[in-house]
Amino acid sequence: ETGVTQTPRHLVMGMTNKKSLKCEQHLGHNAMYWYKQSAKKPLELMFVYSLEERVENNSVPSRFSPECPNSSHLFLHLHTLQPEDSALYLCASSRMTSGDYNEQFFGPGTRLTVL
Amino acid sequence: GQNIDQPTEMTATEGAIVQINCTYQTSGFNGLFWYQQHAGEAPTFLSYNVLDGLEEKGRFSSFLSRSKGYSYLLLKELQMKDSASYLCAVMDSNYQLIWGAGTKLIIKP
Repeated sequence: ETGVTQTPRHLVMGMTNKKSLKCEQHLGHNAMYWYKQSAKKPLELMFVYSLEERVENNSVPSRFSPECPNSSHLFLHLHTLQPEDSALYLCASSRMTSGDYNEQFFGPGTRLTVL
Repeated sequence: GQNIDQPTEMTATEGAIVQINCTYQTSGFNGLFWYQQHAGEAPTFLSYNVLDGLEEKGRFSSFLSRSKGYSYLLLKELQMKDSASYLCAVMDSNYQLIWGAGTKLIIKP
């Protein structure tokens, strides 16, 4: 595997379900990100981890819970979601969270539908 | 507040040239990125500008004017595979990326 991978690619869940999204990066990066992408809206940054420590939480509802066990893996645990949470969830990684030319590399995303 | 503006949709003809504009108002500036995103796929990096001027990379060029809060992405010799969304993002003083909503580019034969 190369780059950034995400599983599952598609997920349909009910509002009472609990599920998890997984992200893995094979680039040796130290920072990882979760984004939400809704149609015709800008990417919304949800969480940032640097060296496995959470450094940013953009006022995301508690029904989204991130976990970063090491610098290569990132999870997003989902619980009691709402239909408006249906979106594409993108994971990204970068060398660090600061500094010039800090290009982010994205995974293919998980298309989430909440019924 | 912080804001990135870019056109929602543009249409161009195969073989032609198209310019996608991006204007921004952010808390500080640490560089501007352009990404390409094909439908159902991950955004992929195209270019990075931190100094004023034009950066050329093959058929794609990106321009930045920091004093005007303005950038554009220029695509030459358009190909059908260039049909995608183009995302403009600015890195603010906290090194956080602020994203535009993207410009959907439709290429017609």
